[in-house]
Amino acid sequence: QKEVEQDPGPLSVPEGAIVSLNCTYSNSAFQYFMWYRQYSRKGPELLMYTYSSGNKEDGRFTAQVDKSSKYISLFIRDSQPSDSATYLCAMSARDNNNDMRFGAGTRLTVKP
Amino acid sequence: NAGVMQNPRHLVRRRGQEARLRCSPMKGHSHVYWYRQLPEEGLKFMVYLQKENIIDESGMPKERFSAEFPKEGPSILRIQQVVRGDSAAYFCASSLAGGNEQFFGPGTRLTVL
Repeated sequence: QKEVEQDPGPLSVPEGAIVSLNCTYSNSAFQYFMWYRQYSRKGPELLMYTYSSGNKEDGRFTAQVDKSSKYISLFIRDSQPSDSATYLCAMSARDNNNDMRFGAGTRLTVKP
Repeated sequence: NAGVMQNPRHLVRRRGQEARLRCSPMKGHSHVYWYRQLPEEGLKFMVYLQKENIIDESGMPKERFSAEFPKEGPSILRIQQVVRGDSAAYFCASSLAGGNEQFFGPGTRLTVL
């Protein structure tokens, strides 16, 4: 079993839809949770960074962490074609993180 | 304000040759990380360096791979005697203080023929 599991998709939604992206993990030591967006042929870009459980909102993006279930989510409201990308979850146990573990990424397409 | 820079963006090598990948971190960042990404797989940590020091190389194969981050100049990831299995995208990231907020470069796509 991988430490971080993420459904690779692909996921296709119409413009304006609410998108839900998810990851599960097995290591209960993980405390820091990140979401990265990666456009084709580009490097990952940090979208959201949360610590421990709870919600964090930034514009159209909301990150949720449920440590009891070892489950994290990223919600995108009012999705736009420019949101089409691969979304990677990442997590680590420490802040000085050379122990960050990435999911395989979910490929999202938002159709106009 | 330049971000993390990597070059070359694409590199083609024949089996047995050496590949040298360069990474210039964001201005003011002294922590550099190298990752490898294979198709349909997540980023895999390879090595973490600070200026003139290798902090953690636990993700890097013991043979053929080496990394450095000299006092002056970019960080270098060197792969000797490349094999087809080394074909991948290699990303460099930098951070200000070794924390979780890492900023990634555009990657170098290595193809081994």
